[in-house]
Amino acid sequence: DQQVKQNSPSLSVQEGRISILNCDYTNSMFDYFLWYKKYPAEGPTFLISISSIKDKNEDGRFTVFLNKSAKHLSLHIVPSQPGDSAVYFCAASGTGGTSYGKLTFGQGTILTVHP
Amino acid sequence: EPEVTQTPSHQVTQMGQEVILRCVPISNHLYFYWYRQILGQKVEFLVSFYNNEISEKSEIFDDQFSVERPDGSNFTLKIRSTKLEDSAMYFCASGQWAEAFFGQGTRLTVV
Repeated sequence: DQQVKQNSPSLSVQEGRISILNCDYTNSMFDYFLWYKKYPAEGPTFLISISSIKDKNEDGRFTVFLNKSAKHLSLHIVPSQPGDSAVYFCAASGTGGTSYGKLTFGQGTILTVHP
Repeated sequence: EPEVTQTPSHQVTQMGQEVILRCVPISNHLYFYWYRQILGQKVEFLVSFYNNEISEKSEIFDDQFSVERPDGSNFTLKIRSTKLEDSAMYFCASGQWAEAFFGQGTRLTVV
């Protein structure tokens, strides 16, 4: 199942710089997109989401951009901090009918922020 | 801050045995979910539950699996006869709309 893809398995960034995590999707029925952060032995933690009617959503240091025509979204973290080091998952869902919360996940990107 | 809690954190079971994984969702949430992650693979949707019934399930969620909300607070996943390939992290989640908030997971090991 490759409906949601994160092509970069890992990303290494210096503290204070920008981290950009990318995600592509193929299913045009997806209209809601989410980013989760996950530490080892913990569940995914919700970070930020965006509806397909918007192209940008911002929450503190986290901004998600959506390009519907390219079926691409990205998460920007500025400035990056060592505590941001974790696995980041992109997820997508529809919002019609029974689709709420039926998330399709990407395979994750390991972000390492160096002091 | 309210959170989803899961018990046990780790369960080891013999192949063929039944297991019940337990979850307490966030109290004002209306949607409840189970996901799993096999080691080295993606997080996969299993089932969603709304208004006391299954609203959607994946191909993985076959007759071996069942879910129940036995009272106003608990949400359970039962696997009737476990197989080796059921070994995974199982995550419970709950939500009010499209976001899902996850518990810390139960690691199920079938031996």
